[in-house]
Amino acid sequence: EDQVTQSPEALRLQEGESSSLNCSYTVSGLRGLFWYRQDPGKGPEFLFTLYSAGEEKEKERLKATLTKKESFLHITAPKPEDSATYLCAVDAYNFNKFYFGSGTKLNVKP
Amino acid sequence: DTEVTQTPKHLVMGMTNKKSLKCEQHMGHRAMYWYKQKAKKPPELMFVYSYEKLSINESVPSRFSPECPNSSLLNLHLHALQPEDSALYLCASSHFIPGARVIENIQYFGAGTRLSVL
Repeated sequence: EDQVTQSPEALRLQEGESSSLNCSYTVSGLRGLFWYRQDPGKGPEFLFTLYSAGEEKEKERLKATLTKKESFLHITAPKPEDSATYLCAVDAYNFNKFYFGSGTKLNVKP
Repeated sequence: DTEVTQTPKHLVMGMTNKKSLKCEQHMGHRAMYWYKQKAKKPPELMFVYSYEKLSINESVPSRFSPECPNSSLLNLHLHALQPEDSALYLCASSHFIPGARVIENIQYFGAGTRLSVL
């Protein structure tokens, strides 16, 4: 069964403590993988899109990578304002729609 | 500009009321989406419109009625809702047409409407 799984569910970091979030997927025919950030009570904010294995994208303290089975969102020296829920979404030919993972709630303490 | 505007931001309604949610985008996108999001859960797709025509309905109860009057506007009409329908309702838009072999499919989301059904 096609699936998108994010881990961990929640992550607590100290300010400056780098870490990675994982999004694993089991789909045939990946059309694109997307990372979003969502603050409480707000809509998801687009961060990155990745289309092929080996691709990497960077934005400030965030870097997204993609392999044939998973994507990582690396957070380098995070700040409290990076605290949010990070959602991964997959667009695959057999889904015919966006399919979201359950998200990772990141809390960065000062 | 990647803005999707949703109104109202908050809505409280009784189970016998009729209300509507509105979504607007001016990015020239021809695909628009309604999602429902419960607390601590990811967004769940409800409807997709492609070129103003309904292309996907995820078996949503008929008390939710979508409408796409033109390429920039998307409405969600609500009638006889239940308390369990209380959620954050999100609108999104993209260039992508579901089912087409187009690689560009970034969905841009609005801030949502927080709906409470009493």
